[in-house]
Amino acid sequence: SQTIHQWPATLVQPVGSPLSLECTVEGTSNPNLYWYRQAAGRGLQLLFYSVGIGQISSEVPQNLSASRPQDRQFILSSKKLLLSDSGFYLCAWKRVREQFFGPGTRLTVL
Amino acid sequence: SQQGEEDPQALSIQEGENATMNCSYKTSINNLQWYRQNSGRGLVHLILIRSNEREKHSGRLRVTLDTSKKSSSLLITASRAADTASYFCAAYSGGGADGLTFGKGTHLIIQP
Repeated sequence: SQTIHQWPATLVQPVGSPLSLECTVEGTSNPNLYWYRQAAGRGLQLLFYSVGIGQISSEVPQNLSASRPQDRQFILSSKKLLLSDSGFYLCAWKRVREQFFGPGTRLTVL
Repeated sequence: SQQGEEDPQALSIQEGENATMNCSYKTSINNLQWYRQNSGRGLVHLILIRSNEREKHSGRLRVTLDTSKKSSSLLITASRAADTASYFCAAYSGGGADGLTFGKGTHLIIQP
């Protein structure tokens, strides 16, 4: 069966510090992968998606970047965090039309 | 841009009652999905309804779709305390984007 992992579960970082969130998927190959952000009390906003190794599409201009160094690994990064980067970050993979989400990372930027 | 917009934003009912949540969307869709999110957790897929379907059932869930009104509803029958969660409708936004566009969600509270 397929499993999706995210870490860390929670993170508190100062403004201006770097960020690296990792997502890995098990039990499937060449999945479409996604990063979403959920601000408090809001729906999810698509940040990046990837259809293969090294292939990244960005949906909104922002302070973040994504990379896919391996087939089942998706990384969300920032060189310098902003207060507005706080939120709940969710990784997902897609099977046909349905998306499967990881447990999320709660990021607080102070 | 936001594809789905849920209504109401919050709903509190007694256990055993039925809960109805509505979603309106803006552009043409091939299908619409509903997801549930328990507090502080990831989202779980509940049900998908295709644009050529008007109604679909899954256990205690019933979803309707009216493409002429660009709206969908999610009905949870015989609610349970464990149904307390946020519910989101979502659809693929089309164009070059491959990800889902979500509404802001309905926060459902089931009172025991």
